[in-house]
Amino acid sequence: DAGITQSPRHKVTETGTPVTLRCHQTENHRYMYWYRQDPGHGLRLIHYSYGVKDTDKGEVSDGYSVSRSKTEDFLLTLESATSSQTSVYFCAISQYNDNEQFFGPGTRLTVL
Amino acid sequence: TQLLEQSPQFLSIQEGENLTVYCNSSSVFSSLQWYRQEPGEGPVLLVTVVTGGEVKKLKRLTFQFGDARKDSSLHITAAQPGDTGLYLCAFDNNDMRFGAGTRLTVKP
Repeated sequence: DAGITQSPRHKVTETGTPVTLRCHQTENHRYMYWYRQDPGHGLRLIHYSYGVKDTDKGEVSDGYSVSRSKTEDFLLTLESATSSQTSVYFCAISQYNDNEQFFGPGTRLTVL
Repeated sequence: TQLLEQSPQFLSIQEGENLTVYCNSSSVFSSLQWYRQEPGEGPVLLVTVVTGGEVKKLKRLTFQFGDARKDSSLHITAAQPGDTGLYLCAFDNNDMRFGAGTRLTVKP
């Protein structure tokens, strides 16, 4: 299994609070991705990174920001969480942009 | 609007039955991937199909890429309870786009 961990695995927070999710990899892959998964929508890309300090927006980036200061870490921040951001968040990594993606175990976030 | 339409959305069958799930789009794909996701885990890649008309087999799973590279199917022969999961198709559209998936339940 690819070495990807996500923290926390579960979080409950209140509307308006900031939240940061962490993805850590030990594979030295160049590309890292953040997705959210909701019933009926499948996986939707939030942001991705193609190198340290190099990031770009995905399909559903509004309300989210990311940072990548080291190859191994990719952080997803919700500056002011809303109930619509209740979801399961997955991090993924890949060696090349169109190559197989390896997914982390997911973080279940509930915004009350 | 989903770029990828997967059908059926849900499928519940008995162990030993055969099944086919579909992934369709109006777009032409350079390649398409199939993933399987078990409850509480992230998706895991099963196969990538690249050539129109291509057929790939993975044990009891047969993947086909349409001649026009707009659709794909996954056929499972003699399904087993261990095949239970969410089957997702995905393609690279400058960023990776996933279908909503087919949730398969195989009852013993």
